Amino acid sequence: GNSVTQMEGPVTLSEEAFLTINCTYTATGYPSLFWYVQYPGEGLQLLLKATKADDKGSNKGFEATYRKETTSFHLEKGSVQVSDSAVYFCALSDKSGYSTLTFGKGTMLLVSP
Amino acid sequence: ETGVTQTPRHLVMGMTNKKSLKCEQHLGHNAMYWYKQSAKKPLELMFVYSLEERVENNSVPSRFSPECPNSSHLFLHLHTLQPEDSALYLCASSQDGGSDTQYFGPGTRLTVL
Repeated sequence: GNSVTQMEGPVTLSEEAFLTINCTYTATGYPSLFWYVQYPGEGLQLLLKATKADDKGSNKGFEATYRKETTSFHLEKGSVQVSDSAVYFCALSDKSGYSTLTFGKGTMLLVSP
Repeated sequence: ETGVTQTPRHLVMGMTNKKSLKCEQHLGHNAMYWYKQSAKKPLELMFVYSLEERVENNSVPSRFSPECPNSSHLFLHLHTLQPEDSALYLCASSQDGGSDTQYFGPGTRLTVL
């Protein structure tokens, strides 16, 4: 079956530091890949997506590249802000039949001033 | 993001109560979803509706009863819940059942006493 593995958190960084959150996946076929973000007390917001190999998704300074050879979709940001503190979820959709998302467990990011 | 709204945002209920969660999407989508988010566990898909027909039910106990009267509204009726059902319940929608991008509401934080 499908699965998504994310690095354990929390990830603690100082403001303006470089961020990497690792995500690897197992899926049949060619899934679409997503990063969602959940701010405290809120639901999930779509951060970025990529639908095929070598695609790069980007939004709000965050980027992730779909790497089929390593089955990875690592999230990066060059300079984090305190307002980026949230839980980040990697997810995949295998595009077979009805759309269902498989989520990782989430990685909490804490950014201090 | 106000495309998907959920009410109430917080709910406390006893094990013998009956309550309902409501979700409404304003995006013109045709598919809607219920997820359960428990602490330290991946998001769990509960139900999927496409064009008001239930297309997936992931072995959810019968004390959870979904209802989709039209493509904009989704309900989750609750009765005789257990304390372990306490969680954040998230609603999502997508363009159609085969569309892989889902948009989430803010969730209902449910506490079962």
